[in-house]
Amino acid sequence: DAKTTQPTSMDCAEGRAANLPCNHSTISGNEYVYWYRQIHSQGPQYIIHGLKNNETNEMASLIITEDRKSSTLILPHATLRDTAVYYCILKKSSGDKLTFGTGTRLAVRP
Amino acid sequence: SAVISQKPSRDICQRGTSLTIQCQVDSQVTMMFWYRQQPGQSLTLIATANQGSEATYESGFVIDKFPISRPNLTFSTLTVSNMSPEDSSIYLCSALPQRHGYTFGSGTRLTVV
Repeated sequence: DAKTTQPTSMDCAEGRAANLPCNHSTISGNEYVYWYRQIHSQGPQYIIHGLKNNETNEMASLIITEDRKSSTLILPHATLRDTAVYYCILKKSSGDKLTFGTGTRLAVRP
Repeated sequence: SAVISQKPSRDICQRGTSLTIQCQVDSQVTMMFWYRQQPGQSLTLIATANQGSEATYESGFVIDKFPISRPNLTFSTLTVSNMSPEDSSIYLCSALPQRHGYTFGSGTRLTVV
C-alpha cells in the first residue's frame, strides 16, 4: 500500500474546526483513503473513508482533492475528547491489511 | 460495527514465560489481525488470522514467537512466547466485519520484567 505523509502534531481551540491534512501523492486508482484515530490508552477507532468523492458522517468530513494526491479530515467543532493521534491510511479495495503510519497528534485546547 | 472484547487488559510477566491474549468478537468475522504498538510508536501488523488456516505473518514476526489460533469466526488468540523485556508493548487485535470500518480491541498492555 502507498505511503502517506502527515504533520507530526497540530493543535486547535475547542469549538473550532480541526483540519488535518494528509499527502498521498503515489496513491493508486484502487486505493481508498481511510482515517482512524487513537485516543490515549484505547484501540484505534474508525472515522471515515473515501475513494474520490468528498464524504461526511456524524464524526467528520473527508475532502479529497481532484487528483487524489492529498486529503483533509475535518472535525467541524473540535472538543477536548477529540484529542488523539489521527492516522491517514491507504487501503486497496481488494486488500485487507491496514498499515499504520506515524499519524498526527492533535491537541484540542480549552 | 462489531465489538471486540480483549483480555487481559494488562499483565506483568517474568522473562522467559509466555502470555496468551484472547479476543472475542460479538459477530462472525472473516479476518482478524494482530498488531503490536511499542511505547510511543504507531501500530505494526504482526499477522493476519483466517479461520481454518495458518496465520500469515508479516516480515520480522515468526510463528514460533507469536503463535496464533483462530478456532472459529468469533475468536482468536495470540501467544507471546519466551518473553524478554523487548516484548513489552501494547498488543491489539482487530476484526474485519462486513462493513468497511475495521474494529479494534482495547489492547493488552504487556510489561516483561
